[in-house]
Amino acid sequence: KQEVTQIPAALSVPEGENLVLNCSFTDSAIYNLQWFRQDPGKGLTSLLLIQSSQREQTSGRLNASLDKSSGRSTLYIAASQPGDSATYLCAVRVWGKEYALNFGKGTSLLVTP
Amino acid sequence: DAGVTQSPTHLIKTRGQQVTLRCSPKSGHDTVSWYQQALGQGPQFIFQYYEEEERQRGNFPDRFSGHQFPNYSSELNVNALLLGDSALYLCASSLVQLSYNEQFFGPGTRLTVL
Repeated sequence: KQEVTQIPAALSVPEGENLVLNCSFTDSAIYNLQWFRQDPGKGLTSLLLIQSSQREQTSGRLNASLDKSSGRSTLYIAASQPGDSATYLCAVRVWGKEYALNFGKGTSLLVTP
Repeated sequence: DAGVTQSPTHLIKTRGQQVTLRCSPKSGHDTVSWYQQALGQGPQFIFQYYEEEERQRGNFPDRFSGHQFPNYSSELNVNALLLGDSALYLCASSLVQLSYNEQFFGPGTRLTVL
């Protein structure tokens, strides 16, 4: 069974800092990996999707990397802003069960002014 | 263009009751997935529907059932509610040819079981 772990569980940083969120998964036979953002009590917004054949994806101040062999992904947020405060979730799709996203518990990020 | 919509927003039920949650996919989408998100946890995949058929199911008991209508909207039914069914229920839609990739999530239905 695919297990997805996110570290740290919570993070508080001052505005302007660069930060890294970590995601690890136990089964390297993944189809793709996706990072989502969730605001309190709300649905999920997709941030970045990395196919298993890719090493990284970038969107604005966000950069996600994937190391499938070691079962790790990182989400890098540059020049953090208070509006980045949210929970960030990592999810993987496994070969053979590609319709399902397997999520970690998320990292709760607070960016203080 | 409306995104994924879900109803109701909030719902309170008592143990043993039955509940039906509804989802309308994003315009043009034909595939609907349901997820359960308990407080402080990541979402857990319940099942996915396409062409009115369940085509993949997660590790949930038969008390959880679903339906997809010809207009692609979907319902999630939960029978014999338990306290542990209290959660945010999320619906996600996609185009079948992109269902391994892009999924758009709705705002969710918050179910509280007393």
